[in-house]
Amino acid sequence: EPEVTQTPSHQVTQMGQEVILRCVPISNHLYFYWYRQILGQKVEFLVSFYNNEISEKSEIFDDQFSVERPDGSNFTLKIRSTKLEDSAMYFCASGAGGRSPLHFGNGTRLTVT
Amino acid sequence: AQSVTQLGSHVSVSEGALVLLRCNYSSSVPPYLFWYVQYPNQGLQLLLKYTTGATLVKGINGFEAEFKKSETSFHLTKPSAHMSDAAEYFCAVRLTDKLIFGTGTRLQVFP
Repeated sequence: EPEVTQTPSHQVTQMGQEVILRCVPISNHLYFYWYRQILGQKVEFLVSFYNNEISEKSEIFDDQFSVERPDGSNFTLKIRSTKLEDSAMYFCASGAGGRSPLHFGNGTRLTVT
Repeated sequence: AQSVTQLGSHVSVSEGALVLLRCNYSSSVPPYLFWYVQYPNQGLQLLLKYTTGATLVKGINGFEAEFKKSETSFHLTKPSAHMSDAAEYFCAVRLTDKLIFGTGTRLQVFP
């Protein structure tokens, strides 16, 4: 069964550094998402992406964040200048739209020191 | 606005006992509802979904959930818990093209 893959599984970075989290969504999906889960907390929506543009973003997704689909297969989340509070598990998801569910990757655990 | 509330952040059951994880939703339109499971250090795996049609939906691993409009509920059940069911369970409602998750319920299963 096709799946969403995320790399790396763990990322440690220093405060103020830029990080890029990578995702390969399911190939025939059209909708792409990033969610995050701070340790012990709920899964929070960050951003949705459709037709090569952001369709919706949450208040968490400020100017430090950006997304890109650079080559038709990868979907990336960039955090320009990381803060301690960006430490979390970041999940990529994709979906076919309509009533179909979202399919999630296994996540990237980001630790900002 | 759509939202979900999961009652009970922790549920403990004995192996073989009934599992009941509660989810109530709030939605101004007919909801699409989902249950996801998260095993330790893993991603979110779809257990089951309700969009339209039959209100009792069956999912993987013997789980099922019943959509009750009158109670605005979508509780997850399993007749007999296995040790392997220990995980975090998330109820979610679809809002436009994104999912809104509840706070999760951690299920512990004791031998």
